[in-house]
Amino acid sequence: GAVVSQHPSWVICKSGTSVKIECRSLDFQATTMFWYRQFPKQSLMLMATSNEGSKATYEQGVEKDKFLINHASLTLSTLTVTSAHPEDSSFYICSARAPKTGRDTEAFFGQGTRLTVV
Amino acid sequence: KNEVEQSPQNLTAQEGEFITINCSYSVGISALHWLQQHPGGGIVSLFMLSSGKKKHGRLIATINIQEKHSSLHITASHPRDSAVYICAVTGNQFYFGTGTSLTVIP
Repeated sequence: GAVVSQHPSWVICKSGTSVKIECRSLDFQATTMFWYRQFPKQSLMLMATSNEGSKATYEQGVEKDKFLINHASLTLSTLTVTSAHPEDSSFYICSARAPKTGRDTEAFFGQGTRLTVV
Repeated sequence: KNEVEQSPQNLTAQEGEFITINCSYSVGISALHWLQQHPGGGIVSLFMLSSGKKKHGRLIATINIQEKHSSLHITASHPRDSAVYICAVTGNQFYFGTGTSLTVIP
C-alpha cells in the first residue's frame, strides 16, 4: 500500500531555534499534503493544506510566518517551526492525498513527529 | 458542535470481548477513515470506506451513508489492541473525531 514517511519521529530543540519536519510520499505523487498538530489528549487539528508548486493555505489562527510549509515536489512537503517556543511542543503529523486515480480521497498518514522545545 | 462525533470516549474491555466504537458525522463526505493511534503517537490507517462493510483480520468497519454513521468492531479483543481509535471523514476537507481510548485488560 501507499506509504508516507515522516522524519524525524522525535526532536528536542532549544527555544529560539528552528526545526524542519519532512513528509515524503514514497510510492505515489501527492498533489496535496496536510499538516496537523495534536496536543495531549486532544484531537488532530488541521494546520495547513499544501499544494505542490503553490503557497500553502493556513487554517485560522495558525501563524504562517512561524510555521513555514514548502511543497516543492510531488513527493515532499516540509514544515519548519521557526523560532520555536515551549508552547510549540506538540505532535505534528502529515498526511498526503493521491491525485485523481481512483484513490483521490484516500488519506495516507505519516508516523508523526513529537517536538519538544526546551 | 463537532462535525464528527465518536462514542464512547473511553472504553475498557476484558481480553476476548467484542468491541464496538461508533462514529456519526454531519457533513457530506466522500470517504470515512478509521485510524489507530498508538501511545507513541504514530497513526495507522485501518480502513477507508465509502459504502458497505470492510473486514481486515479481527477488525470490521461498516458505514451507513443514509444515517451518516459508521462503526468499528473488534472481535476477540487483545491487549495489543489498546490504542486510540479515530474516525475521520473527507469532504471538502478532513474532519476528525476526538478519538476513543481503548484499553484491553488481560
